[in-house]
Formats: sequence, C-alpha cells, structure tokens
Amino acid sequence: DTGVSQNPRHKITKRGQNVTFRCDPISEHNRLYWYRQTLGQGPEFLTYFQNEAQLEKSRLLSDRFSAERPKGSFSTLEIQRTEQGDSAMYLCASSLGTGDQETQYFGPGTRLLVL
Amino acid sequence: GQNIDQPTEMTATEGAIVQINCTYQTSGFNGLFWYQQHAGEAPTFLSYNVLDGLEEKGRFSSFLSRSKGYSYLLLKELQMKDSASYLCAVRDSNYQLIWGAGTKLIIKP
Repeated sequence: DTGVSQNPRHKITKRGQNVTFRCDPISEHNRLYWYRQTLGQGPEFLTYFQNEAQLEKSRLLSDRFSAERPKGSFSTLEIQRTEQGDSAMYLCASSLGTGDQETQYFGPGTRLLVL
Repeated sequence: GQNIDQPTEMTATEGAIVQINCTYQTSGFNGLFWYQQHAGEAPTFLSYNVLDGLEEKGRFSSFLSRSKGYSYLLLKELQMKDSASYLCAVRDSNYQLIWGAGTKLIIKP
C-alpha cells in the first residue's frame, strides 16, 4: 500500500509526558500537513511543510507543539508536557502541490488520550 | 472571520437520495472539497469543485455556486455503507483548507 501511514495508531499517556508521532506521506508528495480533530468537529490545521520547509504554523498552536520534516520525506509531530486537552485524533495528510486540484490524502491518524 | 456551515446530522433511507448543503464565508476561494469520514477513520476525498456547476462521479455529485457561497453533495441510491460524516472544506486565498464540522449521515433500512 502506498498511501499515507502514521504511527502509532493509538497512544495513551499521562499528563506531563512528551509524545512523538510519525507520518510517512505518499512518496512523490512534496507537501505534508498536520491536523488535529476532536469528536464532532472538522480537522483543525496545525502546520504544513513543503519539502523540508515548515511554511505555516497555526497561531492556535502552543509552543509545546513542534514538527519536523528533516529530509522532506517523513515528518514527526512532538507534543511536550501533554495536557488533557491535547486528547484528540492527530491526522497527517500529503499532497502533490502542483496547482488547482491539489488534493490532500489523509493517513489513518493517531488517536491520543492524555490521562 | 472564516466560516463553513453544514447541518450537524441528517437521516435518509436506503435506496433514496440525499442532499447535504454547505455554505461558506472565507477570505478568498480556491476550490471546494468534499470528504467522507467513517467513524474512527481518516477523511477520504470525494470531490472537488472550483467552477460553478455540477460535477458527477458515480452515485455522488457535487454542485458549486461561488456567487452564493454554496455547495451541495448529492448522494443517490443510498447504501448502508454511506453512513458516515461528510466534510465540506474550502481552500482560501492562502491555499489553506478551512473545514466545516461535518454532517453525520445516518442511513436507515
């Protein structure tokens, strides 16, 4: 399967711990997006990369969140000092940013529960 | 501010037709997307509209009116597997996707 993959699929952690999630995009896609989604809501944009450059980060994102895409391929999202409010589904999407119909394809998500 | 409105929930009968509406107010417009999301799964791409009119793809069609800030997704010959949330998303002037909260569609036999 050559779709977007994310690991782990589920993560349970205690408040105050750090967590890191990984996303492997579709291989030829140069853009990679991170979203957060809570029950009954649409995805909330966190950040996105074009190749290895982080081009935009949501103003809603606290300094506890950081993302990297060091070689322009896979990406990691780290949350430091987790809080219960961080519990959500974290979605990664990738796209081939070539113009009009730039469609984002999503991975299966990482479901985070902070106790 | 930017806003996408969709009904929270709709119910329809297997074999019937349902129309899910989406209205939007965004800073710029560079296309509108519909995604399907089954419970606990990631969104999957259904359709894309950038020009006014109807785009048909099998049992699913999507319509756009840019002057009215309005779109709908039409699902025909409903099947039980169509029970899911349907998300409307608009790409704004910064080429970022602004998402609606989704419409939960319940299909009854």
